[in-house]
Amino acid sequence: AQSVAQPEDQVNVAEGNPLTVKCTYSVSGNPYLFWYVQYPNRGLQFLLKYITGDNLVKGSYGFEAEFNKSQTSFHLKKPSALVSDSALYFCAVPSGGYNKLIFGAGTRLAVHP
Amino acid sequence: KAGVTQTPRYLIKTRGQQVTLSCSPISGHRSVSWYQQTPGQGLQFLFEYFSETQRNKGNFPGRFSGRQFSNSRSEMNVSTLELGDSALYLCASSLRGDSNYGYTFGSGTRLTVV
Repeated sequence: AQSVAQPEDQVNVAEGNPLTVKCTYSVSGNPYLFWYVQYPNRGLQFLLKYITGDNLVKGSYGFEAEFNKSQTSFHLKKPSALVSDSALYFCAVPSGGYNKLIFGAGTRLAVHP
Repeated sequence: KAGVTQTPRYLIKTRGQQVTLSCSPISGHRSVSWYQQTPGQGLQFLFEYFSETQRNKGNFPGRFSGRQFSNSRSEMNVSTLELGDSALYLCASSLRGDSNYGYTFGSGTRLTVV
């Protein structure tokens, strides 16, 4: 069965420092992987996706993600964090079947001034 | 273009009542998926509709149901509400109805059952 895991409940980083939010996956076949962000009292917003090709995927708001097949990881990164990046981040993988995504538990990112 | 619209944004209901939530997808999108989000269980898939047909269903009791209309708008209904149904209900639409391409989410309906 397809699954993703986000090993950290919360990540704290100082503004201006690089950030990493971790995600590992378990899929059969070629993986499709997603990152979404959720701000308070809002729905999820798409950040980026990996389908195939370059291992470094660039997305919205300056975020990028590094796909590593040997480590089965898809970590979200940003070179310089902003306070406005503070939110809940989810990685996700298609589950098979029609139009169903399996989400990780989420990681709360807190960027401190 | 307009995004995914969910109404109402907030609801307070009493145990035992029923509730209907509405979702209008992005124009042209034929697939609508529904998720329940709670602090304890995270994001859980409820069901997916494509061209008025339910194609996929999650592990929820029969009290949770949905439908899709010919204009792709979707509703979900929860009958005999329980306290544990308190959650943020999210719908998401997609053009292709293929999860390999991801979705666009609405802002959700916050349901509180008292």
